[in-house]
Amino acid sequence: EIVMTQSPATLSVSPGEGVTLSCRASQPVNSNLAWYQQKPGQAPRLLIYAASTRASGVPARFSGSGSGTEFTLTISSLQSADFAVYYCQQYDHWPPAHTFGQGTKLEIK
Amino acid sequence: EVQMLQSGGGLVQPGGSLRLSCEVSGFIFTSYAMTWVRQAPGERLEWVSGISHSGATIFYADSVKGRFTISRDNSKRTLYLQMDNLTADDTAVYFCAKGDRSVAAYFFDSWGQGSLVTVSS
Repeated sequence: EIVMTQSPATLSVSPGEGVTLSCRASQPVNSNLAWYQQKPGQAPRLLIYAASTRASGVPARFSGSGSGTEFTLTISSLQSADFAVYYCQQYDHWPPAHTFGQGTKLEIK
Repeated sequence: EVQMLQSGGGLVQPGGSLRLSCEVSGFIFTSYAMTWVRQAPGERLEWVSGISHSGATIFYADSVKGRFTISRDNSKRTLYLQMDNLTADDTAVYFCAKGDRSVAAYFFDSWGQGSLVTVSS
């Protein structure tokens, strides 16, 4: 099973700053990677798929990049609504199972 | 607007059963695969099960295989998860989610609000 590892676990950032979150796959997954945002008590929200394609309605300040085993999610000029937990998910080695990273929590500094 | 309304969570004893439902609107239900994803307290998201648009193709995570059954009623626009022989490890919030295609969805672009399942004596 592919293991997805995200870093760092927590990131403290000030509103208005930019930030880059990392996701590493234990095996190459091509560009078959998605990013989700989850706020406390809410369902995840799809942000990015195919490593770099923004989902419908996602602001342009969110961008994804990477392929193979190394991926990043960059958020430029953080807004208060962006403070949440972010998960990556690979879908290259599927079936038999989708796998998610352990998440990166973005908190206000 | 896509809406996915979940019901059926609650407290159940170890070894017990529970059925979750997810009624959808706002998209052509018969065209998309659906899935269940769960999240134990403080843990990462865990994919549980997926079903194709017609119900003919089904997948399960090893952790639930033989105990959980996914199904769908396209006439009622509803997805189900029958959970039997529950253990404490199944305690989690369960989300239904819409796949991006009709069979073997790659990612999930709409989600239900979540149903809390607590397995405890």
